[in-house]
Amino acid sequence: QSALTQPASVSGSPGQSITISCTGTSSDVGGYNYVSWYQQHPGKAPKLMIYEVSNRPSGVSNRFSGSKSGNTASLTISGLQAEDEADYYCSSYTSSSPLWVFGGGTKLTVL
Amino acid sequence: QVQLQESGPGLVKPSETLSLTCTVSGGSISSYYWSWIRQPPGKGLEWIGYIYYSGSTNYNPSLKSRVTISVDTSKNQFSLKLSSVTAADTAVYYCARVLIAAAGNGGYYFDYWGQGTLVTVSS
Repeated sequence: QSALTQPASVSGSPGQSITISCTGTSSDVGGYNYVSWYQQHPGKAPKLMIYEVSNRPSGVSNRFSGSKSGNTASLTISGLQAEDEADYYCSSYTSSSPLWVFGGGTKLTVL
Repeated sequence: QVQLQESGPGLVKPSETLSLTCTVSGGSISSYYWSWIRQPPGKGLEWIGYIYYSGSTNYNPSLKSRVTISVDTSKNQFSLKLSSVTAADTAVYYCARVLIAAAGNGGYYFDYWGQGTLVTVSS
């Protein structure tokens, strides 16, 4: 069982927006603004999409955005495209051990 | 552009030690933290541990008794050893750079990843 809770799957049609939630505790998600999100296509390494809750690395589309409220962080993808179909993982730094925890992953299907 | 590449045996026998090396190119290993992360087939990600270029380490308590991470700055490499492996250790193992602000007041994410290497534990 993963430390952070994500829905197993979400889906949306091209052009629509979807949101993936990531729920933790006050020791991780709620305690720090150190939530990051990773996109993973089949057979590929994870790719950083969002860091420090809502910051996008250079080169990541502005269709990807992040936010946090209390112990729950969220990743929103707007204007869905076929290439967005992938697994998405949230991660948070924690105040205890292990220092980093991940969510179980969410499979995004673009219909 | 920083690149990371894992290397090591793809098959390890039960009870033996898994050994992997991550070679960093396109940048120096100095002044950064470096991690190992694994992903069992069809499952999620698990943080194994990190090493600072100076040699200080921190490990996931679930693996701490079996894990050693070391660094060789002269070769721009860091390594993972996991002892007494079982089938449950079968996974794709990734090395990654950890971005932490110098003052410790920002970052805490994995910005560069290796392509991953599948290690199967089987006799």
